[in-house]
Amino acid sequence: EAGVAQSPRYKIIEKRQSVAFWCNPISGHATLYWYQQILGQGPKLLIQFQNNGVVDDSQLPKDRFSAERLKGVDSTLKIQPAKLEDSAVYLCASSAQGASTEAFFGQGTRLTVV
Amino acid sequence: AQSVTQLGSHVSVSEGALVLLRCNYSSSVPPYLFWYVQYPNQGLQLLLKYTTGATLVKGINGFEAEFKKSETSFHLTKPSAHMSDAAEYFCAVSEFNNNDMRFGAGTRLTVKP
Repeated sequence: EAGVAQSPRYKIIEKRQSVAFWCNPISGHATLYWYQQILGQGPKLLIQFQNNGVVDDSQLPKDRFSAERLKGVDSTLKIQPAKLEDSAVYLCASSAQGASTEAFFGQGTRLTVV
Repeated sequence: AQSVTQLGSHVSVSEGALVLLRCNYSSSVPPYLFWYVQYPNQGLQLLLKYTTGATLVKGINGFEAEFKKSETSFHLTKPSAHMSDAAEYFCAVSEFNNNDMRFGAGTRLTVKP
């Protein structure tokens, strides 16, 4: 089966610019996650969707970050405006419904803010 | 909320030696526990998981982990390290009533020839 697809793989922007990342989860997976992974750290959950509804966005910096999941399938994560500390790898993952099911990860988007 | 602590940000072993990566969790309800591996410039790949049942879980590439409720631990082991095991390893926890998966800070494994 096809895995989680993310694009772009790499992005370099200047601070205060905006950027968007796209994720296509595994077909049929109800749960979609966006994680931020700063160099040398573990992934930090930014937002979790169940179908097209938000389950947890407690760690999403809502003044600059936004995310949506259209029709419960694809998702986009946007940063506007970007700051230097947003430089990180943004990982998208999906899982079937149920907490015991593992998450499948995409390859991530490496964002560099200069 | 559930959380994970990985002891040791960097572990170095010789090829053929035992690998032991430590993970302790905190959860108010029965946890589901996972170990993931990440190779450079790649996403995370599941090694193994514990949900219910047998507390000794076997995964891919010869890795296994044991769930010890009394110690709130889920340490990852492999009897004999191989050069190809060099990577970053992450322990993660979710709760039975919540898909919210939280990760530890990771342990970088180096394998010396």
